[in-house]
Amino acid sequence: GENVEQHPSTLSVQEGDSAVIKCTYSDSASNYFPWYKQELGKGPQLIIDIRSNVGEKKDQRIAVTLNKTAKHFSLHITETQPEDSAVYFCAASRPTGNQFYFGTGTSLTVIP
Amino acid sequence: DAGITQSPRHKVTETGTPVTLRCHQTENHRYMYWYRQDPGHGLRLIHYSYGVKDTDKGEVSDGYSVSRSKTEDFLLTLESATSSQTSVYFCAISLLQGAQGGELFFGEGSRLTVL
Repeated sequence: GENVEQHPSTLSVQEGDSAVIKCTYSDSASNYFPWYKQELGKGPQLIIDIRSNVGEKKDQRIAVTLNKTAKHFSLHITETQPEDSAVYFCAASRPTGNQFYFGTGTSLTVIP
Repeated sequence: DAGITQSPRHKVTETGTPVTLRCHQTENHRYMYWYRQDPGHGLRLIHYSYGVKDTDKGEVSDGYSVSRSKTEDFLLTLESATSSQTSVYFCAISLLQGAQGGELFFGEGSRLTVL
């Protein structure tokens, strides 16, 4: 099956700095890569996603990049704010079936 | 917020007892999922459903069963709970299947402790 690895497991940044979270995947057939944000005591929520036919996607302060050859994708958060503090999960999905394979999560702390 | 309700939200039980977690949705989404979340493991799929009475196993299905008799309800049953099933369980729904890039909408989780 697919194996998704995520790094780092914890990340602390000063408010206003950038944060980068990286994920690698093993199955070259995977073609959809969402990122979820989980605030304390809540369920994860989709914040951005990218498909394998696109190299980069941006939505205001967040962006995701995908390198299909190297099989890795990254989440970039610029101008971080305290409300960005949360656990972030990357995931990968194959072109068939219903299963999303999640990374192990990154706990991001933005220090005011 | 997507209309997903999980119950119970917290439960403490003893080893060997049966436990049922319920997920109820008001969105009429076709696909429903049960995940467990554990430190160091992220979210792992237990079972999912692609329609009434249509279910399939995920990557960590041993010791769990599911049922979906109505579009809106998806039940997760631990026939005989073990301490290794202590976890936070999340129900999720999606309009599209994973292969189509369907966004997952998660419930708020059910924390289960097996003593």
